[in-house]
Amino acid sequence: QLQLQESGPGLVKPSETLSLTCTVSGGSISSSTYYWGWIRQPPGKGLEWIGSIYYSGSTYYNPSLKSRVTISVDTSKNHFSLRLSSVTAAETAVYYCVRQEGGSPLGWFDPWGQGTLVTVSS
Amino acid sequence: QSVLTQPPSASGTPGQRVTISCSGSSSNIGSNYVYWYQQLPGTAPKLLIYTNNQRPSGVPDRFSGSKSGTSASLAISGLRSEDEADYYCAAWDDSLSGWVFGGGTKLTVL
Repeated sequence: QLQLQESGPGLVKPSETLSLTCTVSGGSISSSTYYWGWIRQPPGKGLEWIGSIYYSGSTYYNPSLKSRVTISVDTSKNHFSLRLSSVTAAETAVYYCVRQEGGSPLGWFDPWGQGTLVTVSS
Repeated sequence: QSVLTQPPSASGTPGQRVTISCSGSSSNIGSNYVYWYQQLPGTAPKLLIYTNNQRPSGVPDRFSGSKSGTSASLAISGLRSEDEADYYCAAWDDSLSGWVFGGGTKLTVL
């Protein structure tokens, strides 16, 4: 059964870069059937899509974050990563990694990782 | 302000049928599939309905989805206490070239 696990620092200073990795187990990130994505959820608030990537490196980003976001994939390590620069306290959130069905960025999100809380604070 | 509009709360008693609405526009719900996610307290969201009205294996048939024009609905029949959760709708938006979510509906089972 496919599992996704987020990892990375739980505390990031304002104006610095948030970096997270999602390790995929129980399946190959190089499958042509899936995209892989990041979604975040501020405490007590709703969900926001950050972006998605294909194993080939093709990416789609939320237009509101595009200038600060980089999503990359390492097929040799079976993981993909998120970098978000110049973060502010408002970006304190639980960050989830997801698999997207159908080999398209329009694929639905299933499954989800357990999520990791990243706090932006000095 | 979310691109898709959901009521912030909904409630019902055990055994009742409740519906949660999700309103969008021609660039999202009007031209793409709608998906529903269930988030139980303290857990990650889980896919509940895909491509408007399909249930993943393991999701009870008490849950059903529908779409008409630029709106969608999630219906839960035979309400149970374990259905108490937050529910989110989502769709791809052609104008934004990205995913948009509803603000979420907190369902309370009285």
